[in-house]
Amino acid sequence: DAKTTQPPSMDCAEGRAANLPCNHSTISGNEYVYWYRQIHSQGPQYIIHGLKNNETNEMASLIITEDRKSSTLILPHATLRDTAVYYCIVKETSGSRLTFGEGTQLTVNP
Amino acid sequence: DVKVTQSSRYLVKRTGEKVFLECVQDMDHENMFWYRQDPGLGLRLIYFSYDVKMKEKGDIPEGYSVSREKKERFSLILESASTNQTSMYLCASSLAGQGDEKLFFGSGTQLSVL
Repeated sequence: DAKTTQPPSMDCAEGRAANLPCNHSTISGNEYVYWYRQIHSQGPQYIIHGLKNNETNEMASLIITEDRKSSTLILPHATLRDTAVYYCIVKETSGSRLTFGEGTQLTVNP
Repeated sequence: DVKVTQSSRYLVKRTGEKVFLECVQDMDHENMFWYRQDPGLGLRLIYFSYDVKMKEKGDIPEGYSVSREKKERFSLILESASTNQTSMYLCASSLAGQGDEKLFFGSGTQLSVL
């Protein structure tokens, strides 16, 4: 599976949009981009995933560049409860293994 | 909502003990996983299973075994616990699909081996 690169930490003001970047320059055509987050002392929680097109759900939006070498997770109106480690992962369509990196520690400040 | 339940939130065991970590999911998922999480190392896959009585080694299977006798239950076994197995253990499950399945995690078991 392709490797991802994320900044180790980011800050965001409460109520503002949080834009979390992820580079996956070696992604192949059959690999999905997944985002999970982990709030302290809890298990990771699925946020969103996509293959080529941009995706939106009740939690976030996922923007994937046309060449698919990078993506951005957008939390449109960050709250204090969004403080967590955010993981960007790419995974092949076959097989169910997800490999987690170190992620980005997002801190939402009041 | 899918629920993945891990039997213990905190566990303290002694070196050499046999340890069982239990995980149960209630959504008829085919796939189940065991990860461990350590500071600075992220989540690492220990074992996974695609079906009852099937198991596959993950990235760090040494010192562990697993059992999947029923679809809803996936057990992680430490045959002889050692201090370097002190960690947060996370169980997850997913529905088998075409590759775009998502994982649902339990709350984790913090295991301390003394």
